Amino acid sequence: NAGVMQNPRHLVRRRGQEARLRCSPMKGHSHVYWYRQLPEEGLKFMVYLQKENIIDESGMPKERFSAEFPKEGPSILRIQQVVRGDSAAYFCASSLEPTAANTGELFFGEGSRLTVL
Amino acid sequence: KQEVTQIPAALSVPEGENLVLNCSFTDSAIYNLQWFRQDPGKGLTSLLLIQSSQREQTSGRLNASLDKSSGRSTLYIAASQPGDSATYLCAVSHSWGKLQFGAGTQVVVTP
Repeated sequence: NAGVMQNPRHLVRRRGQEARLRCSPMKGHSHVYWYRQLPEEGLKFMVYLQKENIIDESGMPKERFSAEFPKEGPSILRIQQVVRGDSAAYFCASSLEPTAANTGELFFGEGSRLTVL
Repeated sequence: KQEVTQIPAALSVPEGENLVLNCSFTDSAIYNLQWFRQDPGKGLTSLLLIQSSQREQTSGRLNASLDKSSGRSTLYIAASQPGDSATYLCAVSHSWGKLQFGAGTQVVVTP
């Protein structure tokens, strides 16, 4: 499968628990992005990572949220002590390296839908 | 601060009609503009990307234009089909990978 793979597709957590969302980029892509779509709202940028580096985390909430993209394995978006307001669809996207030859096109996964009870 | 607006918010057309979806943005210093399709409960499918130096892109029945000076892009879908029913999202970027999305246009094509 050549697409962006996210899991789990659906996740239910109780308030105070931790949520971990995983994303494997498209083959050949080394840059990963996380976006959040809150109910009845548009998609909002959260964080941009490349292997072992956070490039831009300007959209991440200051507390409880963290992201990583280790040298081996998928990117992880981690939400600690979840609250009801964290219920949303979390989308991962990937792209090629930013070079003059590449267009900057992002390819998105199917999303992980988090429900906090 | 960039604002991306999509008009109309919803659109219903009979099969065979052409679709015209509009996107406007307030800051013309964009890196590129991308159109996506989103089906209910699904992810985003990239339709077309227009780089800031380009005026339009075409793929099959889809054509997207970009007028940076007026802050507008238009997505045309020719000879619509029921399978085109979805939400269409416009997104602009000022830097690599950091997209700002509009709220979308929800399209229904009736047989």
